[in-house]
Amino acid sequence: SQQGEEDPQALSIQEGENATMNCSYKTSINNLQWYRQNSGRGLVHLILIRSNEREKHSGRLRVTLDTSKKSSSLLITASRAADTASYFCATSRNSGYALNFGKGTSLLVTP
Amino acid sequence: SQTIHQWPATLVQPVGSPLSLECTVEGTSNPNLYWYRQAAGRGLQLLFYSVGIGQISSEVPQNLSASRPQDRQFILSSKKLLLSDSGFYLCAWSVQGGSGANVLTFGAGSRLTVL
Repeated sequence: SQQGEEDPQALSIQEGENATMNCSYKTSINNLQWYRQNSGRGLVHLILIRSNEREKHSGRLRVTLDTSKKSSSLLITASRAADTASYFCATSRNSGYALNFGKGTSLLVTP
Repeated sequence: SQTIHQWPATLVQPVGSPLSLECTVEGTSNPNLYWYRQAAGRGLQLLFYSVGIGQISSEVPQNLSASRPQDRQFILSSKKLLLSDSGFYLCAWSVQGGSGANVLTFGAGSRLTVL
């Protein structure tokens, strides 16, 4: 399985600080995605980075991808209490339809 | 715009009872459809996916089955529930053949407790 593994499992910061989450995976990928899940809800897609890209930005989100190390990071800048959620990375093989998700990082942002 | 509906949102079922969770997508045609399960404190486990009516692929052998009787309808079933079937079930869809990037849109989830 090429399931991603997020690190840390839990992260607690104060509003205004930056939050960094990491994801490692095992096999070659076509792309890597990050999703967010508020407690008891479905997941929401945040950002996708393709295997030939190294960095991507979307608003306060910055994602990096290092295919040589099989790892990715998600940076949320100037965090807000509303960013409190679980964040998952998901990888996609070069063929096929399945997305494999990690166990997620639980982020708590306190006012 | 596309929307995904999933129901029921919550259910409590006794061991050995049947299960039926339903998911429908609006505003798109011929989507890829998925059922995931999320156990407490764990990641998502892909259970089934479908690329067309009557076409079901099972990722994990288990007590569950899936069916796609219509293009935008995906049903998760069980004839006899086990305690281990408890969890949060998520339906999702993606665009068929979309430029190799399989971005999923999820429903709100169905929380199943088997007692």
